[in-house]
Amino acid sequence: KAGVTQTPRYLIKTRGQQVTLSCSPISGHRSVSWYQQTPGQGLQFLFEYFSETQRNKGNFPGRFSGRQFSNSRSEMNVSTLELGDSALYLCASSLEGPGRELFFGEGSRLTVL
Amino acid sequence: GEDVEQSLFLSVREGDSSVINCTYTDSSSTYLYWYKQEPGAGLQLLTYIFSNMDMKQDQRLTVLLNKKDKHLSLRIADTQTGDSAIYFCAESPYGQNFVFGPGTRLSVLP
Repeated sequence: KAGVTQTPRYLIKTRGQQVTLSCSPISGHRSVSWYQQTPGQGLQFLFEYFSETQRNKGNFPGRFSGRQFSNSRSEMNVSTLELGDSALYLCASSLEGPGRELFFGEGSRLTVL
Repeated sequence: GEDVEQSLFLSVREGDSSVINCTYTDSSSTYLYWYKQEPGAGLQLLTYIFSNMDMKQDQRLTVLLNKKDKHLSLRIADTQTGDSAIYFCAESPYGQNFVFGPGTRLSVLP
């Protein structure tokens, strides 16, 4: 069974640009969550999608957006990139129900110059 | 709001036991989790405990939960160099997203 796949693994952008990151969840998982990981702030929750609807949202500015497609694949977009957006962006998928396990991808490492 | 706290660093000698501690705030959390992150990788679930349990043992791992004090600990017996990683405690308040602690970086010295 394939795990959570995130693309691209590494990317470099400059300030003001925008970026789109992709996440393919484990087959059968309808919930996809996104996290930003930085050395200073740790793991910060961005948003969660379930069946193409945003179910929860973290405390990030509107420059951070996401969506989920009917096949459960998800994308997140960051517009007008700032230096502080440099981070590892992690996607996790899960089944529903109590005691659910988040399965993480290896992340997309974004560097903003 | 939710907040999960952990010490940031722990260093042990190979063969010793490691104990990583965590405090959480949301008493509605039904499950509490320990995740492990190795360099360059995503997080991997190590174990979890249901909130009505005090202890859970899984091979070299022992999880202790003190619900009154909202304190969770992870004990790794016979720690090996391969256990060197960042360990995250997480809570999952009912109906809400997971909240992760800052992670404890475990260094295992030979």
